[in-house]
Amino acid sequence: QVQLVQSGAEVKKPGASVKVSCKASGYVFTAYFMHWVRQAPGQGLEWMGWINPNSGGTNYAQKFQGRVTMTRDTSISTVYMEISRLRSDDTAVYYCGREEEVVPGYWGQGTLVAVSS
Amino acid sequence: DIQMTQSPSSLSASVGDRVTITCRASQGITNYLAWFQQKPGKVPKLLIYAASTLQSGVPSRFSGRGSGTDFTLTISSLQPEDVATYYCQKYNSVPYTFGQGTKLEIK
Repeated sequence: QVQLVQSGAEVKKPGASVKVSCKASGYVFTAYFMHWVRQAPGQGLEWMGWINPNSGGTNYAQKFQGRVTMTRDTSISTVYMEISRLRSDDTAVYYCGREEEVVPGYWGQGTLVAVSS
Repeated sequence: DIQMTQSPSSLSASVGDRVTITCRASQGITNYLAWFQQKPGKVPKLLIYAASTLQSGVPSRFSGRGSGTDFTLTISSLQPEDVATYYCQKYNSVPYTFGQGTKLEIK
């Protein structure tokens, strides 16, 4: 069965960077795109971008371009999402989601990133 | 960028009611529209893709319709376990924008 296991919660100071991991199992890792979606406390879902685990190609929402980097390590079936220059409004739960009919069909459990001085 | 607007923002209905949520795109997106359900404290779940195709395992009381700019998600007979926030998402082109969500409660 498809499983996505994300790394644990993080607390960061403004201006720092954070790297969240998402380890996949139960399917051919390179066969499906992986999306990243975030959700600020009490707010809606915000799509951030996707990575093609096969080629490493990425496509980011313009809002995050220059500040977000999505990478993968095929040897351990893991994708990563790094955000730099963190601000307080980056406080959110970050989800990875494996594509299913293009959109995220299988989701990780979420990783809380709290940005506070 | 194409904006996605859901209505209503919140909704209260009785068990057994027929419930409809609307999602409108600011430009045409053909049928590249998905619906998600997020129960309180839980991870989002894909319900419908391609505007009207039910994801495997989703109860048949859920249905989706629409094309172009106007879409609907209908629950034919509301059940207590349907309490959740529902989101539409367009995916015809990047960015794959979500609607702001519709919070559904039981009356």
